[in-house]
Parts: sequence; structure tokens; C-alpha cells
Amino acid sequence: NAGVTQTPKFQVLKTGQSMTLQCAQDMNHNSMYWYRQDPGMGLRLIYYSASEGTTDKGEVPNGYNVSRLNKREFSLRLESAAPSQTSVYFCASSDQGEQYFGPGTRLTVT
Amino acid sequence: QQPVQSPQAVILREGEDAVINCSSSKALYSVHWYRQKHGEAPVFLMILLKGGEQKGHEKISASFNEKKQQSSLYLTASQLSYSGTYFCGTEPYDYKLSFGAGTTVTVRA
Repeated sequence: NAGVTQTPKFQVLKTGQSMTLQCAQDMNHNSMYWYRQDPGMGLRLIYYSASEGTTDKGEVPNGYNVSRLNKREFSLRLESAAPSQTSVYFCASSDQGEQYFGPGTRLTVT
Repeated sequence: QQPVQSPQAVILREGEDAVINCSSSKALYSVHWYRQKHGEAPVFLMILLKGGEQKGHEKISASFNEKKQQSSLYLTASQLSYSGTYFCGTEPYDYKLSFGAGTTVTVRA
């Protein structure tokens, strides 16, 4: 039982490049989330998916897209990376309120 | 809108107590508390669903005043393992969780 897994753990991109962050959970949770964490800002919700086939915007969705591929997987795509997207990205899943977080992806955009 | 946490940081000696406060401008369905160690993912501590409800986890407890839209986390007889950043997450009736900026707790021997 791996919980929530994320790939990659680290990534460096140049401005304008695109990439997809992958997230998977094996707890059969309905809800999944993507957050970004910047120093002094706490966790900010980018997108979430309440169930397979649905996605909704969070607080800071601009510059991102998501796909809920199936119940297990929820990916986050940066179409044209910008330095302002340098951050640590966490994926989480939940079923009854409690959220379980993945280990995070540290992304640097130069 | 993010909830407001206070204080931003607190330094304790082992065995001392501390209180972390969290307030929201919105009516709340629930309040969550998480702890994050440096370089790690946040870990769930507890969720409070009712006005005035209190819960505990080891010697860490919390209260939720639904009418005031406030929650407090109580660290009692702190241990070295309590060091980390504590985040409150407030969930209004649109069920979108928002996290505060965090309170960094340092417990020294």
C-alpha cells in the first residue's frame, strides 16, 4: 500500500517548456487535489477532482490544466512554464475529509 | 480566501505549552489541522466538524468555535517531535479547503 505517489521528485524547466506531473493513489479515494506550496504562503489549491470524470478550479488555476485519467490517477500539466510557477507541488487524495499527501515535486523554472 | 493563523512562529522548551489560532471570514463546515516536517509532506492531525467540538491527538488537541469561525490548536507538554509547521485548513460550505500560511513550532531540549 504505497498511498499517494508523485513523479518526478525534482524537475528543472526552461521558460516556455511544458511538462506533466503525475499522481496516483491506491486507497480507492474519490477526491484528488493538486496544491502548490511557496515559502510563507502555505498550500494553495490549484485544481481538484471530486470524483472520476470531474475536475474544478481551485484558488490558483491559471497556467495549469488537469486530467483525472481514472479513479487512481490525477495529472497536472504546465503548458508553457513560467518562473512564477517555481514551487513545490503536492498531490493529495481524500475520502472522508482527511487528506493524504504525496511526497511532492520540487519544480524550478529558469 | 485563506484563513489567518497566529502566531507565525513559536519557540518552546520541552514540556511547555502553546496555542495556535486560526480564523476565517467565512462560515465554516469544518476545520482541519496538519503538521509538516521540513522537506516532507503535510500529515493529517485532526478534523473538527461541529461548533465547540474538541478533539485530541496524543497531547495535541483542538477546539472549533463555529459561531466565531475560529479554531485553536493546543500543544500540551511539548516534545521534540512536535517541531514542524502547523497548518489549519478551513472548509466553508462550498467544501473547498483553504490553508493558512502556517505556524512554525520549534521545540528545544
